[in-house]
Amino acid sequence: DTEVTQTPKHLVMGMTNKKSLKCEQHMGHRAMYWYKQKAKKPPELMFVYSYEKLSINESVPSRFSPECPNSSLLNLHLHALQPEDSALYLCASSLRTAAVRTNEKLFFGSGTQLSVL
Amino acid sequence: KQEVTQIPAALSVPEGENLVLNCSFTDSAIYNLQWFRQDPGKGLTSLLLIQSSQREQTSGRLNASLDKSSGRSTLYIAASQPGDSATYLCAVSRRGAGSYQLTFGKGTKLSVIP
Repeated sequence: DTEVTQTPKHLVMGMTNKKSLKCEQHMGHRAMYWYKQKAKKPPELMFVYSYEKLSINESVPSRFSPECPNSSLLNLHLHALQPEDSALYLCASSLRTAAVRTNEKLFFGSGTQLSVL
Repeated sequence: KQEVTQIPAALSVPEGENLVLNCSFTDSAIYNLQWFRQDPGKGLTSLLLIQSSQREQTSGRLNASLDKSSGRSTLYIAASQPGDSATYLCAVSRRGAGSYQLTFGKGTKLSVIP
């Protein structure tokens, strides 16, 4: 199994809603990532979890709250979002050994297309 | 700060042509460089990964080269097909920051005309 699975594929929410994005992988990877991608732009890193601990938060607003309940799952909880948060949210994973190796490849999910009304 | 530039931003070629996509980066202290393919509204598929100690990688009709000292990489696609139409992104991994992070270019949108 070399897949990263994201649900839902599409999500429409109002600015007062609370919703969650889910990501799952069963490749034994111990690093998981959330990226945000606006239309016609490259992906931008939001969060990195390494061995289920948050290791990087790229100054993301608190209305985005990540959670890594175990080594296979990664959630992104959304609350009080703004229309400008509409984007494709991508989850990724990588093997992550104790020392980062030069052949460490990232595997991406298909993304959740989020629209905030 | 690492900056990654991809030229051209868009490319349209007739089916069967060989083509080259270019990627340049400003900081040569990288772990590796990856080329990804992205279809509209979809996730990224890793095509090739070149480690910092390597010069090139090949997979089928794809060949990627890396010249770390000059901060350049190319993706060569042989005998292009309409199914190759997609956006191609290159990304370099950051070194020395205590973690593994990618910096992406803005991509080259490729259209292969039947």
